[in-house]
Amino acid sequence: EEQLVESGGGLVQPGGSLRLSCAASGFTFSNYWMNWVRQAPGKGLEWVANINQDGSEKYYVDSVKGRFTISRDNAKKSLFLQMNSLRADDTAAYYCARGGTTGNWVAFWGQGTLVTVS
Amino acid sequence: DIQMTQSPSSVSASVGDRVTITCRASQGIGTWLAWHQQKPGKAPKLLIYAASSLQTGVPSRFSGSGSGADFTLTISSLQPEDFATYYCQQANSFPFTFGPGTKVDIK
Repeated sequence: EEQLVESGGGLVQPGGSLRLSCAASGFTFSNYWMNWVRQAPGKGLEWVANINQDGSEKYYVDSVKGRFTISRDNAKKSLFLQMNSLRADDTAAYYCARGGTTGNWVAFWGQGTLVTVS
Repeated sequence: DIQMTQSPSSVSASVGDRVTITCRASQGIGTWLAWHQQKPGKAPKLLIYAASSLQTGVPSRFSGSGSGADFTLTISSLQPEDFATYYCQQANSFPFTFGPGTKVDIK
């Protein structure tokens, strides 16, 4: 069964750092683009970043460029999001999500981890 | 960046109703569009990809259509488990963007 399990969320002060992890199982992790998507409390979905299969291509939404870094370890079937210089408006549930087989839409979602900046 | 809009923002409907949600992109995106369903307190779930392809395991009462800039998600006969918020997502160019969501609730 396909599974994505996020960890690393929590409470952090403004200006602080946090590293999110996502453990994948049930599919060939190295075959897929991977994404981070966030959702502020009571708000809609916001795509944050993604990374291609071998980690050579990375893309970010403007609001996190220079502060967040996405990375992956295919041997460990893991995705990461290093978040620095955190701000109150980064408060959200962060979802790890697999890309599609035939396109780069978000095809499968983890359960999310909550990051609170306060 | 490509902006996504959805209409309506919310709709009240009854079990058995036909429900149609519209998504519009600020520029043409071909068929690089997905639809996701999210229930309260849960992670989203992919319903439709490539504008009209049904994700495995999704009931056939869900369908998608459109290309270019205008897309629709149709639920042919609303079921109790379909009350949720629906989001469109473009995957044509970075940064990927989601629509603001359409909440389907009970009339």
